[in-house]
Amino acid sequence: EVQLVQSGAEVKKPGESLRISCKGSGYSFTSYWISWVRQMPGKGLEWMGRIDPSDSYTNYSPSFQGHVTISADKSISTAYLQWSSLKASDTAMYYCATSFASGFALDYWGQGTLVTVSS
Amino acid sequence: SYELTQPPSVSVSPGQTASITCSGDKLGDKYACWYQQKPGQSPVLVNYQDNERPSGIPERFSGSNSGNTATLTISGTQAMDEADYYCQAWDISTVVFGGGTKLTVL
Repeated sequence: EVQLVQSGAEVKKPGESLRISCKGSGYSFTSYWISWVRQMPGKGLEWMGRIDPSDSYTNYSPSFQGHVTISADKSISTAYLQWSSLKASDTAMYYCATSFASGFALDYWGQGTLVTVSS
Repeated sequence: SYELTQPPSVSVSPGQTASITCSGDKLGDKYACWYQQKPGQSPVLVNYQDNERPSGIPERFSGSNSGNTATLTISGTQAMDEADYYCQAWDISTVVFGGGTKLTVL
């Protein structure tokens, strides 16, 4: 069974750094891109970027380029989303997702990681 | 940047057909897909490559895509279909989501 399991909720202060994770199982992790999607409270889905776990090639949405870093460790089938300096506006639910059997659609999603940034 | 536009809300009576549209420049030249999201849950893919259904998705969910508009059609809408729906397409290696449509079944 394909599963993406994300790390738990985080509460951080503005200016702090953070890395959240997404562990894949039940499939060949290096064969399928992992995307990250943001959902701010009460708002819609926003694609942040994606990574090819086989070689860590990334591409980002222009809206998120330079604000976050996406990485992966294929040895432990885990992708990461990282901030070097959080802002209150980063408060959101973050999902990882993969395109396993549906062309370029995102057919498997993690359970989401809630990030709260507050002083 | 590429944009997809959805109506903020659509209402339908139980058992009737709901149609949710998604508009974008030459969207018919791209593949469109659709996600359902219920409160407190992760999105679920309900339609991809214009009109393919993932395993486990009921037949009442169907899609079409032509010209500048993709449409998700829910036939015989049930109360359990009340949710937010998002369209999505790819544009130059970038995923683009529509703003979402809240489907109310009343």
